[in-house]
Amino acid sequence: AQKITQTQPGMFVQEKEAVTLDCTYDTSDQSYGLFWYKQPSSGEMIFLIYQGSYDEQNATEGRYSLNFQKARKSANLVISASQLGDSAMYFCAMRAPNRGSTLGRLYFGRGTQLTVWP
Amino acid sequence: ETGVTQSPTHLIKTRGQQVTLRCSSQSGHNTVSWYQQALGQGPQFIFQYYREEENGRGNFPPRFSGLQFPNYSSELNVNALELDDSALYLCASSPLAGDGGELFFGEGSRLTVL
Repeated sequence: AQKITQTQPGMFVQEKEAVTLDCTYDTSDQSYGLFWYKQPSSGEMIFLIYQGSYDEQNATEGRYSLNFQKARKSANLVISASQLGDSAMYFCAMRAPNRGSTLGRLYFGRGTQLTVWP
Repeated sequence: ETGVTQSPTHLIKTRGQQVTLRCSSQSGHNTVSWYQQALGQGPQFIFQYYREEENGRGNFPPRFSGLQFPNYSSELNVNALELDDSALYLCASSPLAGDGGELFFGEGSRLTVL
C-alpha cells in the first residue's frame, strides 16, 4: 500500500529564514513520483516541485528544493528565504506506480500548516 | 492560474439529496481526476477519467460517479448524500505527458450536507 506521512501539523518560521517540511513515504513500487503542493486558504492546490524516483539529483525550483533520501524514503521540502506569502498548508504527495495509467492518482499526506511571521 | 475551473464554488444540500459538481480543464488535458478533501485532511482520490472512460477508482462507493466530455469538461455526481460527504471537492487535470506529470488543480467546490 502507498502511504505518505507528514509528522509536523504546524511549523513557524521568521521571514527570510529557511524552513524544512518533513515527508516520509512508503511504497513497494520502484517507479514513483513525489510532489509537493501548497494550498492557501482559497483551496486551490498549487504545484511546487517534483522528484522522480530515478532522478539522481535533488529537484530545485526557485526557492524550493526537495531533499530526496531514497534509502530513508524521505522527501523533505526546503523553502529558502521565507516570505509572508508562503503561509499556507503544504502537502506531500506520491504517485506510485509512476506511469500513464495512474497519472491522475496521487496519495497525499495530512499536510503541514506553515506560518511565516515578520 | 492553472486553467482548471470548478463550479459551483459553494453549495449546501440536505441528506439524501443528489449533487452535481462541474469542472472545466485546459485544452489538451485528457486526464481528469477528482478528489475529496475533508476538513483537516489531505485530498483523497475518488476516480480518474481518461478519454471519457473511468480507468481508476479509490475507495469510494458507487453513489460517487462521474462523466468526462469531449470538450475536456467533467462532472462528479454524488447520490444519496450523507453528512460525511461534506468536504472540498477538487478536480485535477493533466496532459498526457506533463513536465513531471504534475496535476493542475482547480479551486474546488465546497459542499456542506445538512
